[in-house]
Amino acid sequence: QVQLVQSGAEVKKPGASVKVSCKASGYRFIGNPIHWVRQAPGQGLEWMGYVHPDNGDTKYAQKFQDRVTMTSDTSISTAYMELRRLRSDDTGMYFCTRDMGMDVWGQGTTVIVSS
Amino acid sequence: SSELTQDPAVSVALGQTVTITCQGDSLRTYYGSWFQQKPGQAPVLVLFGENIRPSGIPDRFSGSTSGNTASLTITGAQAQDEADYYCKCRGAGDTWVFGGGTKLTVL
Repeated sequence: QVQLVQSGAEVKKPGASVKVSCKASGYRFIGNPIHWVRQAPGQGLEWMGYVHPDNGDTKYAQKFQDRVTMTSDTSISTAYMELRRLRSDDTGMYFCTRDMGMDVWGQGTTVIVSS
Repeated sequence: SSELTQDPAVSVALGQTVTITCQGDSLRTYYGSWFQQKPGQAPVLVLFGENIRPSGIPDRFSGSTSGNTASLTITGAQAQDEADYYCKCRGAGDTWVFGGGTKLTVL
């Protein structure tokens, strides 16, 4: 079945970077962009951006433009989201979802930023 | 503006009908989508396009759009429908935006 499986929880110190992975299975990875969505504790969903596995093209939300990099490795059907210069307000759940209407979501990756 | 506005909370009596709305300029141009999220879980797509339900979504969920407002209607709300609901729409410059979410309580 179609699945997106994300990497495990991360605990980082302020100023560090985090890289979350999202492995796709059950469908054609190439041709379907992967979006990343963040949810702070008790808050709503926030679109961060997407990456096209075909060519690596990306589009980022302005808020994250200077701190985020989204990439993909088609050989292993995996997308990545790296967030740099972490702050405490980056603490939250990070989800990947495929572009087909965002019909399938990963299970989420908890990122905690704390000194 | 790419913002989408939702009421923070709505309640409905068990078995009754409830409508959750989402307002935004982008809805005049693009269809919205609706997601249901229960505590500790990933969002689930419940409606997209012009009132299309993904496989497995009960037909008590329906949608419509008028002007700058998209609506999600649950006809005969069930206890398991209690959740947060988010609208989503394409924004300017090939970006995407979510509404702030509506917490639905089934009484």
